[in-house]
Parts: sequence; C-alpha cells; structure tokens
Amino acid sequence: QQQVKQSPQSLIVQKGGISIINCAYENTAFDYFPWYQQFPGKGPALLIAIRPDVSEKKEGRFTISFNKSAKQFSLHIMDSQPGDSATYFCAAINGQTGANNLFFGTGTRLTVIP
Amino acid sequence: DADVTQTPRNRITKTGKRIMLECSQTKGHDRMYWYRQDPGLGLRLIYYSFDVKDINKGEISDGYSVSRQAQAKFSLSLESAIPNQTALYFCATSDRTSGRSGEQYFGPGTRLTVT
Repeated sequence: QQQVKQSPQSLIVQKGGISIINCAYENTAFDYFPWYQQFPGKGPALLIAIRPDVSEKKEGRFTISFNKSAKQFSLHIMDSQPGDSATYFCAAINGQTGANNLFFGTGTRLTVIP
Repeated sequence: DADVTQTPRNRITKTGKRIMLECSQTKGHDRMYWYRQDPGLGLRLIYYSFDVKDINKGEISDGYSVSRQAQAKFSLSLESAIPNQTALYFCATSDRTSGRSGEQYFGPGTRLTVT
C-alpha cells in the first residue's frame, strides 16, 4: 500500500511557467515532508522540506504548500527552467519513531521545454 | 570524491546467480539504507542499519540480505537473483539528526539487470 500518493506521473511545462506536483498521505503520525530531486543517472538529492505546523515554505523558485487538514502537500516551481527537468519525489517520515523510515511517492517526471 | 559511492555502477547477471552490491561512505554517518527504484513505484526501502550491530528489514526485504562490515560500509546481496529484481538500487546515509527530518544522502545508484 502506497503511504504517499503523488501526481501527476509526468508533467511538461513551458520555460517560465509554473510546475505543480501534488502529494497526499493518510498517516497523521508523519511529522516531516521532504522533496527530493533526481537527475538522470544520479541519486535523489534533498530539495526542500516542510513540517506540518507550517503552511508554506519557500526556497528560491521552489515552494512547498501544506494543507494539514486535507493531508495534502504540493511543490510549486516558479519560472520553471530547462535545468529543472528531473524526476521529483515527495516523501514523508515519522521522525519520532526509532525507525526514521522515509516513505516515497511514486515520482513525477518533469520536462521543461525551452 | 563522492561522499557515498556504490560499486558496481552497472551489472548484468543471470537468473540464479549470487550478486553483491557494495556501498561506502565518507560522511561519517551512522545510518545506512538500501532502496530499489522501479518505474512508477518510486523508491522502496529494502534494509536499513543504524550501526554495525543493528540491521533491520524494510518494506521489501524478501530475496535480499545485507551486511554492515563497518560504519562506512554496507553491502546488499541477492542470494539467487531473479528477473523481477531487475531495478536501480540506491544506497543512502543519514545521521541521527538529519534522519529524523528525512534528510538522507544518496549514492549514484547501481543498475542491475537479471536475465
């Protein structure tokens, strides 16, 4: 059973546009929600993360929006650039348990066309 | 030099063969993880280890085993490879603090094909 559901599976955006990736979860024990970015041939790398007591976090052109009551969160990439073309994974973790296991979404392949 | 290295980077093997994937890290982290990535399924945890004496099963451990030879080394073995183990395998590390917030550092991956 997928603990974190992610959509869309793929996304094509024009350069300068806004890319939006959505995720949803059920386990209310999750207390941290990171996003990972993966370029072809590379391992995933942490992009940005948010705690559920914050509704929005912005780092440069990347913003996470968090809706705790709906158990949903999303990544917005403003002014999308061809260099942003990558696969993006949302994830969730319950940092209070000893396991510290990350649960990943299924990934979104973003293509930004010039 | 990369902080988390994996060997080999690519491997083709036959059904029934034993194969070992190796991971080394220079980050000084105590926690290490093995994931597999399949298209449309994301990354799924196979095994994780919080120190040399601590090994734990993840979501999909059947058909796999691991060994933590030292704090910096964590290997994944497929005792008898089967075609549905064809996937991209990643090693990752974290320390206690970064682990709680889901911050893990991934290696470059090993692409394994079982024919």
